[in-house]
Amino acid sequence: ETGVTQSPTHLIKTRGQQVTLRCSSQSGHNTVSWYQQALGQGPQFIFQYYREEENGRGNFPPRFSGLQFPNYSSELNVNALELDDSALYLCASSLPVEQETQYFGPGTRLLVL
Amino acid sequence: GEDVEQSLFLSVREGDSSVINCTYTDSSSTYLYWYKQEPGAGLQLLTYIFSNMDMKQDQRLTVLLNKKDKHLSLRIADTQTGDSAIYFCAEFNTGGFKTIFGAGTRLFVKA
Repeated sequence: ETGVTQSPTHLIKTRGQQVTLRCSSQSGHNTVSWYQQALGQGPQFIFQYYREEENGRGNFPPRFSGLQFPNYSSELNVNALELDDSALYLCASSLPVEQETQYFGPGTRLLVL
Repeated sequence: GEDVEQSLFLSVREGDSSVINCTYTDSSSTYLYWYKQEPGAGLQLLTYIFSNMDMKQDQRLTVLLNKKDKHLSLRIADTQTGDSAIYFCAEFNTGGFKTIFGAGTRLFVKA
C-alpha cells in the first residue's frame, strides 16, 4: 500500500464525453504526476502539479487538464474523449525534495466506446 | 531524445535467476528504476539506483548499471512463481520533472 488512492477504479464512457478522475496523494506529498498507460505499453507522462500549479507537461493535447487542491488531492479531466484515450490512468505523489521517489496509486481504468 | 527500451518477454524456470535488461538514451539521467506491475494493479517500486553507482543489491534483487553503455539490468535470484509480472525500467532526471518508462518486460515463471 502506497497511501495513494484513486477513484473510480473503472469507468466506461462514450466518444465525445468528458471524464474526471480523482487522486488522493500520500499525506504530506504536495507534488502529483499523472500518467497514461495504454494496453501493452509503459506509462506516459501527462503532467505534474506542485502547489496547485502545473509544473510540467508531456506530449498530450490541451483537452487533458488537471487541478490540484489545497489538501493535495487532484483531478485529471479529459474533454472530447476519443477511442484512443482508453487506458489505465495512474497518479503518483512525491515530496518536492524527493521527486525521484514517486508513490503510485492503483489507477483508474477508462474504456471509451 | 529520451527513450527507454526493454525486451518484451522473458521466460524462466522456478528457482533459476532472471535477468531483465534495459537501455536508455538520456545521459543526464539521475535515477534509474525498476517497477513491477501485476495484472490489474498499479506500479510497485522494486528498487532504484543513483547514476553514480554501479551496483545495488537488495535481498534477491541485484541492479547493475553500465553508465558508459547506458545499460541497466535487474537480476532476480531464485525466481518464484510470484515474481511473474511486468517489469518496467524507468529513468528520471532531477533537472526535469518526469519519469520516462520503457514498454515493460513480461516475466513468466514456469513451475
